[in-house]
Amino acid sequence: GENVEQHPSTLSVQEGDSAVIKCTYSDSASNYFPWYKQELGKRPQLIIDIRSNVGEKKDQRIAVTLNKTAKHFSLHITETQPEDSAVYFCAASISGNQFYFGTGTSLTVIP
Amino acid sequence: SAVISQKPSRDICQRGTSLTIQCQVDSQVTMMFWYRQQPGQSLTLIATANQGSEATYESGFVIDKFPISRPNLTFSTLTVSNMSPEDSSIYLCSVATGRYGYTFGSGTRLTVV
Repeated sequence: GENVEQHPSTLSVQEGDSAVIKCTYSDSASNYFPWYKQELGKRPQLIIDIRSNVGEKKDQRIAVTLNKTAKHFSLHITETQPEDSAVYFCAASISGNQFYFGTGTSLTVIP
Repeated sequence: SAVISQKPSRDICQRGTSLTIQCQVDSQVTMMFWYRQQPGQSLTLIATANQGSEATYESGFVIDKFPISRPNLTFSTLTVSNMSPEDSSIYLCSVATGRYGYTFGSGTRLTVV
Protein backbone atom coordinates (compact mmCIF):
# COMPACT_ATOMS: atom_id res chain seq x y z
CA GLY A 1 0.00 0.00 0.00
CA GLU A 2 0.86 3.67 -0.03
CA ASN A 3 3.55 4.96 2.33
CA VAL A 4 3.65 8.66 3.11
CA GLU A 5 6.58 10.19 4.94
CA GLN A 6 6.49 13.68 6.40
CA HIS A 7 9.21 16.00 7.69
CA PRO A 8 9.90 17.66 10.00
CA SER A 9 7.97 16.25 12.91
CA THR A 10 8.20 19.55 14.78
CA LEU A 11 8.79 23.05 13.49
CA SER A 12 9.09 26.35 15.31
CA VAL A 13 9.14 29.66 13.47
CA GLN A 14 8.97 33.31 14.42
CA GLU A 15 5.78 35.10 13.61
CA GLY A 16 5.98 36.52 10.11
CA ASP A 17 8.48 33.93 8.89
CA SER A 18 7.68 31.14 6.44
CA ALA A 19 7.14 27.47 7.26
CA VAL A 20 7.73 24.57 4.90
CA ILE A 21 6.61 20.99 5.44
CA LYS A 22 7.62 18.22 3.07
CA CYS A 23 6.09 14.87 2.22
CA THR A 24 7.03 11.97 0.00
CA TYR A 25 4.82 9.17 -1.23
CA SER A 26 5.51 5.75 -2.66
CA ASP A 27 2.60 4.84 -4.93
CA SER A 28 2.92 6.47 -8.35
CA ALA A 29 -0.82 5.91 -8.88
CA SER A 30 -1.65 8.48 -6.17
CA ASN A 31 -3.13 11.54 -7.79
CA TYR A 32 -4.65 13.59 -5.01
CA PHE A 33 -2.73 15.21 -2.18
CA PRO A 34 -4.59 17.09 0.55
CA TRP A 35 -3.22 18.87 3.56
CA TYR A 36 -5.05 18.92 6.87
CA LYS A 37 -4.70 21.14 9.90
CA GLN A 38 -5.61 19.72 13.28
CA GLU A 39 -5.90 21.93 16.32
CA LEU A 40 -5.72 20.36 19.73
CA GLY A 41 -8.79 18.30 20.51
CA LYS A 42 -10.43 19.01 17.16
CA ARG A 43 -10.99 17.07 13.99
CA PRO A 44 -8.67 17.50 11.00
CA GLN A 45 -9.72 20.23 8.62
CA LEU A 46 -8.76 20.42 4.96
CA ILE A 47 -6.73 23.55 4.23
CA ILE A 48 -5.53 22.98 0.69
CA ASP A 49 -5.17 20.19 -1.83
CA ILE A 50 -3.51 19.53 -5.14
CA ARG A 51 -4.15 17.11 -7.93
CA SER A 52 -1.51 15.42 -9.99
CA ASN A 53 -2.24 17.44 -13.10
CA VAL A 54 -1.09 20.61 -11.35
CA GLY A 55 2.40 21.53 -10.12
CA GLU A 56 1.49 24.30 -7.74
CA LYS A 57 -1.56 25.76 -6.05
CA LYS A 58 -1.87 28.82 -3.88
CA ASP A 59 -4.56 30.10 -1.54
CA GLN A 60 -3.64 33.37 0.17
CA ARG A 61 -0.76 32.59 2.55
CA ILE A 62 -0.78 28.86 1.85
CA ALA A 63 0.72 27.14 -1.17
CA VAL A 64 1.38 23.55 -2.12
CA THR A 65 3.82 22.24 -4.70
CA LEU A 66 3.94 18.80 -6.26
CA ASN A 67 6.78 17.02 -8.03
CA LYS A 68 5.31 13.85 -9.54
CA THR A 69 8.61 12.60 -10.87
CA ALA A 70 10.24 12.74 -7.47
CA LYS A 71 7.00 11.81 -5.70
CA HIS A 72 7.13 14.59 -3.21
CA PHE A 73 4.95 17.52 -2.30
CA SER A 74 5.32 20.42 0.07
CA LEU A 75 3.22 22.86 2.06
CA HIS A 76 4.37 26.45 2.29
CA ILE A 77 2.91 28.91 4.77
CA THR A 78 4.07 32.51 4.45
CA GLU A 79 3.74 35.36 6.94
CA THR A 80 2.97 32.90 9.70
CA GLN A 81 0.67 33.92 12.52
CA PRO A 82 0.17 32.43 16.01
CA GLU A 83 -3.16 30.96 14.88
CA ASP A 84 -1.25 28.86 12.36
CA SER A 85 0.09 26.83 15.30
CA ALA A 86 -1.34 23.31 14.95
CA VAL A 87 -0.46 19.86 13.71
CA TYR A 88 -0.39 19.55 9.93
CA PHE A 89 -0.88 16.28 8.07
CA CYS A 90 -0.23 15.55 4.44
CA ALA A 91 -2.03 12.69 2.73
CA ALA A 92 -1.98 10.82 -0.54
CA SER A 93 -4.90 9.21 -2.28
CA ILE A 94 -5.91 7.58 -5.52
CA SER A 95 -8.85 9.58 -6.84
CA GLY A 96 -10.09 10.54 -3.40
CA ASN A 97 -10.53 7.04 -2.09
CA GLN A 98 -8.63 5.82 0.97
CA PHE A 99 -6.35 8.53 2.31
CA TYR A 100 -2.94 7.60 3.67
CA PHE A 101 -1.60 10.20 6.04
CA GLY A 102 1.88 11.36 6.88
CA THR A 103 3.08 11.30 10.46
CA GLY A 104 2.26 14.94 11.11
CA THR A 105 4.19 18.14 11.78
CA SER A 106 3.63 20.11 14.94
CA LEU A 107 4.04 23.76 13.96
CA THR A 108 4.57 26.41 16.61
CA VAL A 109 4.54 30.06 15.63
CA ILE A 110 6.31 32.15 18.22
CA PRO A 111 4.85 35.65 18.67
CA SER B 1 -19.70 19.49 2.26
CA ALA B 2 -21.30 16.69 4.25
CA VAL B 3 -22.06 17.02 7.96
CA ILE B 4 -21.19 14.01 10.08
CA SER B 5 -22.60 13.30 13.51
CA GLN B 6 -20.42 10.90 15.44
CA LYS B 7 -21.18 9.47 18.85
CA PRO B 8 -20.28 8.92 21.54
CA SER B 9 -17.80 11.76 21.76
CA ARG B 10 -15.90 10.00 24.50
CA ASP B 11 -16.14 6.94 26.69
CA ILE B 12 -14.25 5.14 29.39
CA CYS B 13 -14.59 1.38 29.12
CA GLN B 14 -13.48 -1.65 31.06
CA ARG B 15 -11.04 -4.00 29.41
CA GLY B 16 -12.68 -6.99 27.79
CA THR B 17 -15.84 -5.10 26.88
CA SER B 18 -16.91 -3.70 23.49
CA LEU B 19 -17.90 -0.25 22.32
CA THR B 20 -19.89 0.65 19.23
CA ILE B 21 -19.28 4.00 17.59
CA GLN B 22 -21.90 5.47 15.29
CA CYS B 23 -21.58 7.90 12.39
CA GLN B 24 -24.55 9.52 10.70
CA VAL B 25 -24.11 11.58 7.54
CA ASP B 26 -26.59 14.18 6.35
CA SER B 27 -26.34 13.01 2.73
CA GLN B 28 -25.88 9.75 0.90
CA VAL B 29 -22.26 8.75 0.39
CA THR B 30 -20.83 5.72 -1.30
CA MET B 31 -17.82 5.16 0.90
CA MET B 32 -17.20 5.79 4.58
CA PHE B 33 -13.85 5.36 6.22
CA TRP B 34 -12.81 4.63 9.77
CA TYR B 35 -9.54 5.95 11.18
CA ARG B 36 -7.69 5.61 14.44
CA GLN B 37 -5.54 8.36 15.88
CA GLN B 38 -3.48 7.38 18.87
CA PRO B 39 -2.33 10.18 21.18
CA GLY B 40 0.07 12.48 19.41
CA GLN B 41 0.12 10.27 16.34
CA SER B 42 -1.10 10.37 12.78
CA LEU B 43 -4.33 9.00 11.40
CA THR B 44 -4.29 5.33 10.48
CA LEU B 45 -6.93 3.90 8.20
CA ILE B 46 -8.72 0.96 9.79
CA ALA B 47 -11.18 0.06 7.07
CA THR B 48 -13.41 1.23 4.27
CA ALA B 49 -17.13 0.66 4.75
CA ASN B 50 -19.13 0.14 1.57
CA GLN B 51 -22.88 -0.11 1.60
CA GLY B 52 -24.10 -3.57 0.72
CA SER B 53 -20.77 -5.35 0.96
CA GLU B 54 -18.18 -6.38 3.52
CA ALA B 55 -15.84 -3.72 4.80
CA THR B 56 -12.31 -3.71 3.46
CA TYR B 57 -9.70 -3.79 6.22
CA GLU B 58 -6.17 -2.42 6.12
CA SER B 59 -3.19 -4.48 7.09
CA GLY B 60 -3.07 -4.98 10.85
CA PHE B 61 -6.82 -4.64 11.39
CA VAL B 62 -9.25 -7.57 11.39
CA ILE B 63 -12.99 -7.91 11.30
CA ASP B 64 -13.20 -9.86 14.55
CA LYS B 65 -11.61 -6.97 16.43
CA PHE B 66 -13.24 -4.10 14.53
CA PRO B 67 -16.55 -5.25 13.04
CA ILE B 68 -18.18 -2.62 10.86
CA SER B 69 -21.75 -2.24 9.72
CA ARG B 70 -22.99 -0.14 6.80
CA PRO B 71 -26.75 -0.70 6.58
CA ASN B 72 -27.42 2.26 4.28
CA LEU B 73 -25.75 5.16 2.48
CA THR B 74 -25.93 7.56 5.45
CA PHE B 75 -24.90 5.45 8.44
CA SER B 76 -22.08 3.25 9.68
CA THR B 77 -20.90 1.76 12.95
CA LEU B 78 -17.50 0.60 14.13
CA THR B 79 -17.25 -1.75 17.10
CA VAL B 80 -14.06 -2.05 19.11
CA SER B 81 -14.27 -5.55 20.55
CA ASN B 82 -12.67 -7.19 23.57
CA MET B 83 -10.91 -3.96 24.41
CA SER B 84 -7.51 -3.62 26.00
CA PRO B 85 -5.67 -0.46 27.13
CA GLU B 86 -3.81 -0.48 23.80
CA ASP B 87 -7.12 0.33 22.09
CA SER B 88 -7.25 3.69 23.86
CA SER B 89 -7.32 6.15 21.02
CA ILE B 90 -9.44 8.58 19.08
CA TYR B 91 -11.59 6.94 16.44
CA LEU B 92 -12.83 9.04 13.53
CA CYS B 93 -15.17 8.31 10.71
CA SER B 94 -14.90 10.18 7.45
CA VAL B 95 -16.63 10.39 4.12
CA ALA B 96 -15.62 11.34 0.63
CA THR B 97 -17.76 14.20 -0.63
CA GLY B 98 -17.67 16.13 -3.81
CA ARG B 99 -14.66 15.75 -6.04
CA TYR B 100 -12.08 14.25 -3.74
CA GLY B 101 -13.39 16.19 -0.74
CA TYR B 102 -13.03 14.42 2.59
CA THR B 103 -14.83 15.31 5.80
CA PHE B 104 -14.19 13.93 9.27
CA GLY B 105 -16.54 13.29 12.13
CA SER B 106 -15.78 14.92 15.45
CA GLY B 107 -14.15 11.78 16.79
CA THR B 108 -14.66 9.39 19.69
CA ARG B 109 -12.07 9.53 22.44
CA LEU B 110 -11.88 6.03 23.91
CA THR B 111 -10.08 5.22 27.15
CA VAL B 112 -9.81 1.59 28.20
CA VAL B 113 -9.06 0.94 31.85
